[in-house]
Amino acid sequence: DGGITQSPKYLFRKEGQNVTLSCEQNLNHDAMYWYRQDPGQGLRLIYYSQIVNDFQKGDIAEGYSVSREKKESFPLTVTSAQKNPTAFYLCASRETGGSGANVLTFGAGSRLTVL
Amino acid sequence: GIQVEQSPPDLILQEGANSTLRCNFSDSVNNLQWFHQNPWGQLINLFYIPSGTKQNGRLSATTVATERYSLLYISSSQTTDSGVYFCAVGNYNQGGKLIFGQGTELSVKP
Repeated sequence: DGGITQSPKYLFRKEGQNVTLSCEQNLNHDAMYWYRQDPGQGLRLIYYSQIVNDFQKGDIAEGYSVSREKKESFPLTVTSAQKNPTAFYLCASRETGGSGANVLTFGAGSRLTVL
Repeated sequence: GIQVEQSPPDLILQEGANSTLRCNFSDSVNNLQWFHQNPWGQLINLFYIPSGTKQNGRLSATTVATERYSLLYISSSQTTDSGVYFCAVGNYNQGGKLIFGQGTELSVKP
């Protein structure tokens, strides 16, 4: 089945450590996105990529980094510079042409807790 | 940037009741989607509806783009409809980014 796989589902880290969240999709979608969700809140965009080897900052990019070396993969690194990293992180992808264009598909999320 | 406001923030229904969720947005958009987030955090796309009306089973949605609002109707609600409903808006020429509202948390009681 096609979909988006995020790993790990749960992650605990000490303050000051960098962590990398994985996002892999087999939908052949060109565009990929990372969102952050805090308790009781909506989603906020961290980074997005419309094509391999290119990505843009979203609304809350500070303290995060990404790479897009392959179409299928869009990992997110939460660096020690991110002041409040504890959150639920959601990866999404979007087909950029065809009948399903513009519909966003989400992974199951990764819950990061910084101790 | 575009502001998205959803109402009500919380809603408690008895099974079988109907409900209407509203999404207001502050600027013109050509991309509007409704999502349901289940208690485990998974977001499922319900509708892609930048304008007009669509129906899918007990759910339907209407967007009046000129008046900058969208409505999600849930009829004959079931306990499995519980969760958070998000409206998200954007424009094609901005990388397909979506701006999310704060959501409506729906609880359907048996």
